[in-house]
Amino acid sequence: KQEVTQIPAALSVPEGENLVLNCSFTDSAIYNLQWFRQDPGKGLTSLLLIQSSQREQTSGRLNASLDKSSGRSTLYIAASQPGDSATYLCAVRDAGNNRKLIWGLGTSLAVNP
Amino acid sequence: SQTIHQWPATLVQPVGSPLSLECTVEGTSNPNLYWYRQAAGRGLQLLFYSVGIGQISSEVPQNLSASRPQDRQFILSSKKLLLSDSGFYLCAWDRERSSYEQYFGPGTRLTVT
Repeated sequence: KQEVTQIPAALSVPEGENLVLNCSFTDSAIYNLQWFRQDPGKGLTSLLLIQSSQREQTSGRLNASLDKSSGRSTLYIAASQPGDSATYLCAVRDAGNNRKLIWGLGTSLAVNP
Repeated sequence: SQTIHQWPATLVQPVGSPLSLECTVEGTSNPNLYWYRQAAGRGLQLLFYSVGIGQISSEVPQNLSASRPQDRQFILSSKKLLLSDSGFYLCAWDRERSSYEQYFGPGTRLTVT
C-alpha cells in the first residue's frame, strides 16, 4: 500500500533563503507526482506535475525533482518571499490505479520578512 | 481555460439536517470528478470519484452520497448530517488527456452544529 510522507511538517525561514521541501513514497511504481500549494481556507493550487519518466520540472522559482528508485521528490524554492507562506502538499498517483492520488500531510511554510 | 466552481462557500447546518454541495467545471469535457474532505490537522480524504455521468465510486462508507447528473456537474449530499461531517469539502477534476494533473475548486467550509 502506497504511503506518502512529507518532512518537515513545519518550516520557518527568513525571506530570501533557498529552501527544500521533501516528499517520500513507499512504492516506486508511480504514474506521476504532483506538488500543490494551499493557502489558509482556500482550495489547492497545482504547482508542478512530474511524470514517472521525468527527473524534474521547473516553474519560475520552483523546481521539483523526482527519484523513483529511492522513493523521493523534493520541491526547491529559490529566494523565498513572504508570499510563499502556505502549506505545500505532495501527492502520488500509483501506476496501477490512475484514479486516485495518495496524499502527504503537507509542510506548513512561513517565510518571515 | 478551465474553471471549477463550488457553492456554497460556507455553510452552517444543524445535526440531522440535509446537505447538498454542488461543483461544476467549465472549459473541459468528460472530466474525472472527485470529492475530498479535509478535516483540521488531517490530510485530504477522498470521498467519491466519478469517471462519467451516473458513475460514482465511493471510497469511504459514511452517510454521504454523490451524484453526477451532467458531464461537468458533481453533487455531494446527505440526508442527515452528523457532527463528524464538519470539514472543508473540495471538488477536483482531471483528465487522462491532461496527464491526470488534478485541479481543485475553492472549497466549501461546512460546520455542523
